[in-house]
Amino acid sequence: DAGVIQSPRHEVTEMGQEVTLRCKPISGHDYLFWYRQTMMRGLELLIYFNNNVPIDDSGMPEDRFSAKMPNASFSTLKIQPSEPRDSAVYFCASSLGTLNSPLHFGNGTRLTVT
Amino acid sequence: KQEVTQIPAALSVPEGENLVLNCSFTDSAIYNLQWFRQDPGKGLTSLLLIQSSQREQTSGRLNASLDKSSGRSTLYIAASQPGDSATYLCAPLVARQLTFGSGTQLTVLP
Repeated sequence: DAGVIQSPRHEVTEMGQEVTLRCKPISGHDYLFWYRQTMMRGLELLIYFNNNVPIDDSGMPEDRFSAKMPNASFSTLKIQPSEPRDSAVYFCASSLGTLNSPLHFGNGTRLTVT
Repeated sequence: KQEVTQIPAALSVPEGENLVLNCSFTDSAIYNLQWFRQDPGKGLTSLLLIQSSQREQTSGRLNASLDKSSGRSTLYIAASQPGDSATYLCAPLVARQLTFGSGTQLTVLP
């Protein structure tokens, strides 16, 4: 299996622009997670899905952030409009069940908003 | 709210040394705890998952222990190698959510 695939690897955009991050989970995994990593705050859970349905989005910072999972093999995280404080590495992860299975991470998207 | 602390924040050791990384957490009502490794510019790789009912879990040169009542876990690395250089993070699972520590950055010198 190719693992969790994220695109793009790097994104540089100007403040106010829309940014869309993409994720393909491991085939057969029924849970998908979006995390954000910064030096100041470490790894933070933004939202997670189970069987394509959002379960907990309490970590989404504000209404500028939205996430979708239209099918079992694809998810997006959108920021509109983007701000410099959104600069971070965004990780997607998937697992087969949340409790007893390891979490598998993608290589992340490094977002820079200028 | 779960708080996770990892000590030390950074560690540098010569090759071949055995070492211990520490993780403490405030909410002991965990379901399990995972140890991850993160290489620069990469995502996290799960190393070991230890259930709350377990005391230890081993994989190769790695051994993780868990003392749920005291809110502590350790990751023991035997005979360290330069390839073990990375940041190691622990993450207890509470209420269906993982909370990550800030990690220990390990450097193994050849």
